[in-house]
Amino acid sequence: GIQVEQSPPDLILQEGANSTLRCNFSDSVNNLQWFHQNPWGQLINLFYIPSGTKQNGRLSATTVATERYSLLYISSSQTTDSGVYFCAAASTGFQKLVFGTGTRLLVSP
Amino acid sequence: DGGITQSPKYLFRKEGQNVTLSCEQNLNHDAMYWYRQDPGQGLRLIYYSQIVNDFQKGDIAEGYSVSREKKESFPLTVTSAQKNPTAFYLCASSPGTTGDTQYFGPGTRLTVL
Repeated sequence: GIQVEQSPPDLILQEGANSTLRCNFSDSVNNLQWFHQNPWGQLINLFYIPSGTKQNGRLSATTVATERYSLLYISSSQTTDSGVYFCAAASTGFQKLVFGTGTRLLVSP
Repeated sequence: DGGITQSPKYLFRKEGQNVTLSCEQNLNHDAMYWYRQDPGQGLRLIYYSQIVNDFQKGDIAEGYSVSREKKESFPLTVTSAQKNPTAFYLCASSPGTTGDTQYFGPGTRLTVL
């Protein structure tokens, strides 16, 4: 099945800094999502982005499907951005999302 | 409000007991999913259901059972056969099953005493 790898595993930033999180996947995808898991465990949808570029406020994401990677950009980070960011992907023709192991982000004031 | 609810939020179980975790959605989604998350790990798929009265095993189905008698409900039973059930359990739903955004409930934290 599809493999999903995320980097870096951990990231520490000062408030106001920018960051880029990467997700590599091993097969063609028809579903790729980015999630933020808050300290209470809730998974919040950030982007559904099997290809192309999307922006939502300080967050944006780009998926280059032909090269099998996706990037999540966080600009002007805030302490509330802290948590774990997961990438999840499903191969074309399959329904099952496979999750990466996440990037743990800590934004300090 | 539309969304996915899970109950209870915390659950404690003695070894050898079966427990059932509730998941309800009022989004009119066809597909529902159960995932397990262990500390410091990503999510792994336990079971999923594309339609009422039908469900398929995910990657780690052993020791778990589900039912889908109603479109809005997808309960998960953690049986005594599950060797290491202490984990965080997340339910999700999506409008369809291929290329659709999945939306997650708040989760149930199960601890075996």
